[in-house]
Amino acid sequence: GESVGLHLPTLSVQEGDNSIINCAYSNSASDYFIWYKQESGKGPQFIIDIRSNMDKRQGQRVTVLLNKTVKHLSLQIAATQPGDSAVYFCAENCCSGTYKYIFGTGTRLKVLA
Amino acid sequence: GAGVSQSPRYKVAKRGQDVALRCDPISGHVSLFWYQQALGQGPEFLTYFQNEAQLDKSGLPSDRFFAERPEGSVSTLKIQRTQQEDSAVYLCASSLGEVGSAEAFFGQGTRLTVV
Repeated sequence: GESVGLHLPTLSVQEGDNSIINCAYSNSASDYFIWYKQESGKGPQFIIDIRSNMDKRQGQRVTVLLNKTVKHLSLQIAATQPGDSAVYFCAENCCSGTYKYIFGTGTRLKVLA
Repeated sequence: GAGVSQSPRYKVAKRGQDVALRCDPISGHVSLFWYQQALGQGPEFLTYFQNEAQLDKSGLPSDRFFAERPEGSVSTLKIQRTQQEDSAVYLCASSLGEVGSAEAFFGQGTRLTVV
């Protein structure tokens, strides 16, 4: 399949370590955020979401942190596994009456065995 | 299957040819999106449907691009007189609720190559 993220920022982590992937979003009025994982040749896969009335949300092995003051979103992956290797995108949605999710530029995560 | 299905998976078109890309959303999903993803880039919004109504087509790059969802289920993205810059992966996503109320699930995409 095609390669995703040929020129994206890359984060390399050792298997078993924790990963932190960061995203700066664009609109201070955005109120819903999603993290997606995209493997080569596949569509983006939903990981976790968070609303602007929260600053932290936890899933299975993943945690999303939201800092509205600086328009920053992060995804923490605990005990990173080889299957976590992919490109990660944050997406934001702003405002009633808008109909799009705006995607960030993406970060490639490489898990080293 | 239970996911978003797109066909064809790959399409090679000669420049100037018309193409039609199909999206079968998850059954019962109200929202349907089309995105374009160039190599090494994040997905870029093209258009949005809520049931059969096309509420936002601001991302369509030119009048050669047309999308429809006549019965509020299956959607087709049509590109007329394809050009090389149209080469990309076209992603469809659907969501149970309105935008911002629930996560959007993506299909695997159609990779369009214009030669």
